[in-house]
Amino acid sequence: NAGVMQNPRHLVRRRGQEARLRCSPMKGHSHVYWYRQLPEEGLKFMVYLQKENIIDESGMPKERFSAEFPKEGPSILRIQQVVRGDSAAYFCASSPGTPPIYEQYFGPGTRLTVT
Amino acid sequence: RKEVEQDPGPFNVPEGATVAFNCTYSNSASQSFFWYRQDCRKEPKLLMSVYSSGNEDGRFTAQLNRASQYISLLIRDSKLSDSATYLCVSPDSSYKLIFGSGTRLLVRP
Repeated sequence: NAGVMQNPRHLVRRRGQEARLRCSPMKGHSHVYWYRQLPEEGLKFMVYLQKENIIDESGMPKERFSAEFPKEGPSILRIQQVVRGDSAAYFCASSPGTPPIYEQYFGPGTRLTVT
Repeated sequence: RKEVEQDPGPFNVPEGATVAFNCTYSNSASQSFFWYRQDCRKEPKLLMSVYSSGNEDGRFTAQLNRASQYISLLIRDSKLSDSATYLCVSPDSSYKLIFGSGTRLLVRP
């Protein structure tokens, strides 16, 4: 039973480039969450998606960041025109059902480094 | 005040010791809580869920004190493999996990 999958595991981008991070939820899970972890800090919620719907993007920076979870394929977190402050670990989590809280299971993360 | 506060540590204990971490939360409406374990540069892994007053799983015991709004994690008979960062999580009213910054545990031989 494959867990949450994320790729790439490591991504290096120069300032101004675009970063695309992918997440495939666990089998049977239809809810996807993205979190960001800056160095030496806790995880911070970014966005919650279901298939073809953004449910809550209150944690997303207003500019340059977008997320989608299409009917087919993985969820994508897209960061345009990356800056050094975007360097962080980006974790995706999935859960099986509708809130209230179901336990969320995390993927291995994508470590983004902006040079 | 942070929504979830933890002592960053590190807690440095010998193998076999008992160690306890506390975590305070500000959202009095939270109904469920979690402890996650995070090894260096890896993903958080769910360690325990706390839905009522407490939960026990082997060497690990989590307790919830709603009146004082804190959750504790007790680890008995510490193993070297317990060395990690322990993240306290107090979800908001629905689906958003609010993480503490973590408490670092070092278990020495």
